Amino acid sequence: DSGVTQTPKHLITATGQRVTLRCSPRSGDLSVYWYQQSLDQGLQFLIQYYNGEERAKGNILERFSAQQFPDLHSELNLSSLELGDSALYFCASSVALADTQYFGPGTRLTVL
Amino acid sequence: QKEVEQDPGPLSVPEGAIVSLNCTYSNSAFQYFMWYRQYSRKGPELLMYTYSSGNKEDGRFTAQVDKSSKYISLFIRDSQPSDSATYLCAMSGKTSGSRLTFGEGTQLTVNP
Repeated sequence: DSGVTQTPKHLITATGQRVTLRCSPRSGDLSVYWYQQSLDQGLQFLIQYYNGEERAKGNILERFSAQQFPDLHSELNLSSLELGDSALYFCASSVALADTQYFGPGTRLTVL
Repeated sequence: QKEVEQDPGPLSVPEGAIVSLNCTYSNSAFQYFMWYRQYSRKGPELLMYTYSSGNKEDGRFTAQVDKSSKYISLFIRDSQPSDSATYLCAMSGKTSGSRLTFGEGTQLTVNP
């Protein structure tokens, strides 16, 4: 158990819908990262927050957004969902900006 | 061309064998090198973390980094059936911030 928690474990929804994925970092970690893992793309970096502020963006779609709240938990919002958004979404956290990242168990999103 | 190349396997070995897993990369700015283990699409678990070139040993695992050749390796001694998983190399560096760039993973099966 890495200490990073993610909810829900599974999400099944329809195209065009909007979902919110939630992540709680390890106690004491200030930085949160979101990654997407699909069968054909591997693990891809989406976005990073540090102490409430956005610090880095990867190839995150405009339909996706995220935020980190004052209690340091983070939410990833996915809207106008498409079939191709079906994937595992992982959150990771680290103490500081360039420290070791520890991953949560992931949320499996299925878009029908 | 991908920044990080990793042979996806699958790789099948008998119990007790020495396993060698490798990644090559093209971005010379990478400085931090990691190996993660992922069981059946669960959250990646950090195995080894290495900064710059050199070797690092932890129990049955040895990580090697050769920055001159842009090549990293993970060796597993006395492999066990419980080592059966997908092994992901990951790296980061100054120009990429702390985001991790992953290889696509090597699927390993250790047969009893």
